[in-house]
Amino acid sequence: KNEVEQSPQNLTAQEGEFITINCSYSVGISALHWLQQHPGGGIVSLFMLSSGKKKHGRLIATINIQEKHSSLHITASHPRDSAVYICAVNDMRFGAGTRLTVKP
Amino acid sequence: KAGVTQTPRYLIKTRGQQVTLSCSPISGHRSVSWYQQTPGQGLQFLFEYFSETQRNKGNFPGRFSGRQFSNSRSEMNVSTLELGDSALYLCASSLGGHPTGELFFGEGSRLTVL
Repeated sequence: KNEVEQSPQNLTAQEGEFITINCSYSVGISALHWLQQHPGGGIVSLFMLSSGKKKHGRLIATINIQEKHSSLHITASHPRDSAVYICAVNDMRFGAGTRLTVKP
Repeated sequence: KAGVTQTPRYLIKTRGQQVTLSCSPISGHRSVSWYQQTPGQGLQFLFEYFSETQRNKGNFPGRFSGRQFSNSRSEMNVSTLELGDSALYLCASSLGGHPTGELFFGEGSRLTVL
């Protein structure tokens, strides 16, 4: 069993839908990162959090330390949100990623 | 402010050769970390340098090595290349240090081993 599990692996949504991507981990952590990777390979760090909730525009990330679970939410999704979303913990153990496709 | 720069962007090598990849971090960032990404294994952490010292290391064989210079630029080297080393190699820089500092990634160096 991987130490960092993401779900779902693939997600297709219609433009405007609310999206949730989940990340569960089995190790103690000091920080959790949410990353976005577009086709071509470039990675952008979306959030780094160790407790509670953070919001940037249409993106919201939450973490529950006791349950060892984090979620990434996208409100009013748009085709430009289509990317692979990856969570990572601590010494950079990565989830396998969630491939999101948002259709117009 | 310039971002993280990786060179070369693409390269092709043959088995048994060695390769050196370079990463120039954002000005003022002292931490540089390296990652390997393959379709089969996903993203994996290689190592992290802070102020010229390796602070953390992933689970890779000794053929993978790195260093950091006084200007924070970092290089990674892979010796005796194997077909399985074909991958996208990414570096990231951080102000505060891994793993609790926000990471800024380069575009990556795509290595093909024939």
